[in-house]
Amino acid sequence: GAVVSQHPSRVICKSGTSVKIECRSLDFQATTMFWYRQFPKQSLMLMATSNEGSKATYEQGVEKDKFLINHASLTLSTLTVTSAHPEDSSFYICSATDPTSGGDEQFFGPGTRLTVL
Amino acid sequence: GDSVTQMEGPVTLSEEAFLTINCTYTATGYPSLFWYVQYPGEGLQLLLKATKADDKGSNKGFEATYRKETTSFHLEKGSVQVSDSAVYFCALYSGAGSYQLTFGKGTKLSVIP
Repeated sequence: GAVVSQHPSRVICKSGTSVKIECRSLDFQATTMFWYRQFPKQSLMLMATSNEGSKATYEQGVEKDKFLINHASLTLSTLTVTSAHPEDSSFYICSATDPTSGGDEQFFGPGTRLTVL
Repeated sequence: GDSVTQMEGPVTLSEEAFLTINCTYTATGYPSLFWYVQYPGEGLQLLLKATKADDKGSNKGFEATYRKETTSFHLEKGSVQVSDSAVYFCALYSGAGSYQLTFGKGTKLSVIP
């Protein structure tokens, strides 16, 4: 089945530093990947839609200069949290669609827990 | 626009109890409907799906039937286990080009022995 990995699974960083999170589709080519942020009371917020070879589409209220998304290949998308602050601490989850399976199903990564001190 | 409303939790049940988590939706056209499950500390996994009216999705003892007349996709399980403790998300895909899913807010289920 379609597998999506994320790296790292956990990261702790100091305030003001940048952190990169990788999302990979392991056994399929993902033309579209999504980045979500999950808040403590479990609700998922879509941050951006990432299409291979083009600029990401950010949801309203998400700072594109703070959350840099790069989708350089059909199997890799990265999210970089620049100049991280404690309020950026959260659980970040990526997902990917496999066009060969119709595109309606998203396959999720295991998530990355970011803690900013 | 599209929206999904699911019952607020948390829901606490004893082992072997019957589970229902309600989900209703608003969408244009004929969306595909999904239930995803998130175990503690993990990402989301697809639990089941249905792509057209009257379809029943089922997996691991869970079932949900796509009811177009009531715009609902309620999740049910006849006998829950402690291992079913997780957060359950109802979602829809309307097929409107961007492949985006619209999620409900999630329902946390705790099953106690």
